[in-house]
Amino acid sequence: GENVEQHPSTLSVQEGDSAVIKCTYSDSASNYFPWYKQELGKRPQLIIDIRSNVGEKKDQRIAVTLNKTAKHFSLHITETQPEDSAVYFCAASIEGNYQLIWGAGTKLIIKP
Amino acid sequence: EAQVTQNPRYLITVTGKKLTVTCSQNMNHEYMSWYRQDPGLGLRQIYYSMNVEVTDKGDVPEGYKVSRKEKRNFPLILESPSPNQTSLYFCASGLLGQAQETQYFGPGTRLLVL
Repeated sequence: GENVEQHPSTLSVQEGDSAVIKCTYSDSASNYFPWYKQELGKRPQLIIDIRSNVGEKKDQRIAVTLNKTAKHFSLHITETQPEDSAVYFCAASIEGNYQLIWGAGTKLIIKP
Repeated sequence: EAQVTQNPRYLITVTGKKLTVTCSQNMNHEYMSWYRQDPGLGLRQIYYSMNVEVTDKGDVPEGYKVSRKEKRNFPLILESPSPNQTSLYFCASGLLGQAQETQYFGPGTRLLVL
């Protein structure tokens, strides 16, 4: 079955710098890759997703890239701000399957 | 307001005492799911449901039961809770048949089994 690995488990960056979180997946049939953000004490919420027919997607300061050949996808956050501090989860699924396979999460710390 | 609600939000119980965590959504979503979240392990799916009266096991179903008698409700039942079920539980729902596959999460239920 599908397996999703996420790195690093903790990432500390200076405010204003960029942060990159990487995930790899094992099932080449996976074609839907969402990213969820979970602030401390809150529920996970979708922040961006990408499908396998595109290589990159941007939404303001966040972007996701996908390399289907290498079976990995990454979340990029530019100009980090204190409110970016959270745990970020990647996931993978086959479109329409709804069974998301989750990474273990990355705790992003933004240093002032 | 569109939302997923869970009750209770916090629960302390003892081993073996049956409990139910309720989940309700008002978005007319077909898909509903239960996850548990433990440090370092991310989100692990317990059970999910694609529609009324249709439920399936996720990755960690042992010790849990669910039912889907109505579209809006998806309760999680622990018939005989054990300490290893101490965790943070999330219910989620989503709309089937759409290009957007966002899962909407409830606020979470923190369970402690003594």
